[in-house]
Amino acid sequence: AQKITQTQPGMFVQEKEAVTLDCTYDTSDPSYGLFWYKQPSSGEMIFLIYQGSYDQQNATEGRYSLNFQKARKSANLVISASQLGDSAMYFCAMREGGRGSTLGRLYFGRGTQLTVWP
Amino acid sequence: DGGITQSPKYLFRKEGQNVTLSCEQNLNHDAMYWYRQDPGQGLRLIYYSQIVNDFQKGDIAEGYSVSREKKESFPLTVTSAQKNPTAFYLCASAGFYTEAFFGQGTRLTVV
Repeated sequence: AQKITQTQPGMFVQEKEAVTLDCTYDTSDPSYGLFWYKQPSSGEMIFLIYQGSYDQQNATEGRYSLNFQKARKSANLVISASQLGDSAMYFCAMREGGRGSTLGRLYFGRGTQLTVWP
Repeated sequence: DGGITQSPKYLFRKEGQNVTLSCEQNLNHDAMYWYRQDPGQGLRLIYYSQIVNDFQKGDIAEGYSVSREKKESFPLTVTSAQKNPTAFYLCASAGFYTEAFFGQGTRLTVV
């Protein structure tokens, strides 16, 4: 089974509008972390936002927020007020973190290509 | 400044040749990862290491080898057994519950 599922290969949004990129995950470990990364055409991976499985509140970082629904195992990224520079590939990732010092594998989804148009 | 450095940025390999991609981090991170990315695709895990002198195979380890002799370094060797090595390779490191930090990547091309 896929650990991370991103069902939207491509998304289009008009500048200044909000957009939601979907991500669902699969784990039986109660302790895990969820991450979103942006990859522009240059190839670098830019960290956007993190949500821990025990965090009570949804994470926010500037225009990025994470809509964390633990029971549904979803961690959707919301980008408010889209900008042309937001056009990029977006990846959702998860790391299962057990007790002790185990860091665990880092799983990635297939990504969503976001295009922002004027 | 702390960070993770991959080198070289571009690498060309002849048929039947082994090549080694370098990955160094000074973030004192325990975990390090190697991913392969093909055009328009997601990241596929090649190998990862959670501690010095130990590493585990990822989903596409065949044709690749790694070592983790020092905490700071996790080099990846693409062997001649890897029949289709042309791809973008990304190295990452992570501390416990920190995000993963990525290098700038190495674009490997077979000539």
